[in-house]
Parts: sequence; C-alpha cells; structure tokens
Amino acid sequence: IAGITQAPTSQILAAGRRMTLRCTQDMRHNAMYWYRQDLGLGLRLIHYSNTAGTTGKGEVPDGYSVSRANTDDFPLTLASAVPSQTSVYFCASSELAGVGTGELFFGEGSRLTVL
Amino acid sequence: GQNIDQPTEMTATEGAIVQINCTYQTSGFNGLFWYQQHAGEAPTFLSYNVLDGLEEKGRFSSFLSRSKGYSYLLLKELQMKDSASYLCAVRDGDYKLSFGAGTTVTVRA
Repeated sequence: IAGITQAPTSQILAAGRRMTLRCTQDMRHNAMYWYRQDLGLGLRLIHYSNTAGTTGKGEVPDGYSVSRANTDDFPLTLASAVPSQTSVYFCASSELAGVGTGELFFGEGSRLTVL
Repeated sequence: GQNIDQPTEMTATEGAIVQINCTYQTSGFNGLFWYQQHAGEAPTFLSYNVLDGLEEKGRFSSFLSRSKGYSYLLLKELQMKDSASYLCAVRDGDYKLSFGAGTTVTVRA
C-alpha cells in the first residue's frame, strides 16, 4: 500500500542523546514536511522540503535538522535531545500546490519521550 | 506567520448537525483545509476550499469566505465514529500549511 512510513513508532531517549526519526514515502511527492503535535498547540511545522536537495525552516526549527538527499526520504535529526522535544512527530508529503489540491498525506507518527 | 482560531471542544448528539468555525489571519492565502484526526492516529484529509463558497462532500461540507478570513466545517447526521479532532489548516503565500489547535468533537448517543 502506497504511503508514508515513519520509524521508530515510539522511542524513549535520554536527554543529550542524538536521535534521527526516519521518514520514507513512495508516492513520488515533491514536497515533504515534519510537524510536531503537542496537546493544546496543534501541529507545528518544524522543517519542510519543496523538492529534493532543498530544505526550509518552519515555525519551530530550533534543535532540529533535516536533509533531503532524494525524493523519497526526509529524516529529522535531534542533535542533542532535550525534554521539551517530547512530542508526537508527524512526517507528511504532498504534491506541490497547483497539482490537485496539494493536500498533505501523513505518516502514522513517532512518539518521542526525552527524559 | 499565521493566526488560526477554532473552538477547543464541541459536543453533539448522534444524528444532529455540528458546525465548527475557523477564523484565520495569514500572510498570503493559497487554500484552506480541514483534516480529521482520531485519537492516536494520523490526520486525514477531509476538504479543501480555495474560492469563496460551499464545498459539499457527503455528510461533510466546508465553507470559505476569504474577505472575512472565515471558514466552517459542517458535519451532518452525526455518527459515533465522527468523534474526533477536526483541524483547520491554512496554506500561506509560501505554500506552507499551518494548523489550528483543533476542535475535539464528542458525539453522544
């Protein structure tokens, strides 16, 4: 089934450790996104990529980095995790606006707890 | 940046109608989306409006007024499975999508 795969689905991490959340899509979408979702705050954009080889900062980029070496993969790295990064992380992809509605398709999420 | 407001919670009875309002202020506008999210799951796409007016899709309809910065999602003939969070999202002039905090709808028998 086509879609977006995130890994791991859940992780407990000690503060100060480095962590990479993986995201792979097989829909050949140009654009990919990372959001975090926290109770009462909704989904907030961390980083995005409109096409392979380019990335951009979202609303809450500090403490996170991304890369987009190819169309399918968009990993999110926490260089040195802090407790405030405890959240549910969603990866999403879309066609660029102008191709259909440009709706986002979401992965199942990665629940990260930083102690 | 974006400022997207929607009510935190709504409760309705099975078979009834519920209207979820969303107001927004954006730097540029390239469409408004509604997503449904069940607890512990990923958001799924419900509707898209880019022009003023009403878009109907089965039991769900979405309305947009760009001049007022206003949208609503109308859920008709409510079913228990409609209990979920409903997210209003606006695509800005840079084609980035920003979300409101979501409205939790509880359907009671």
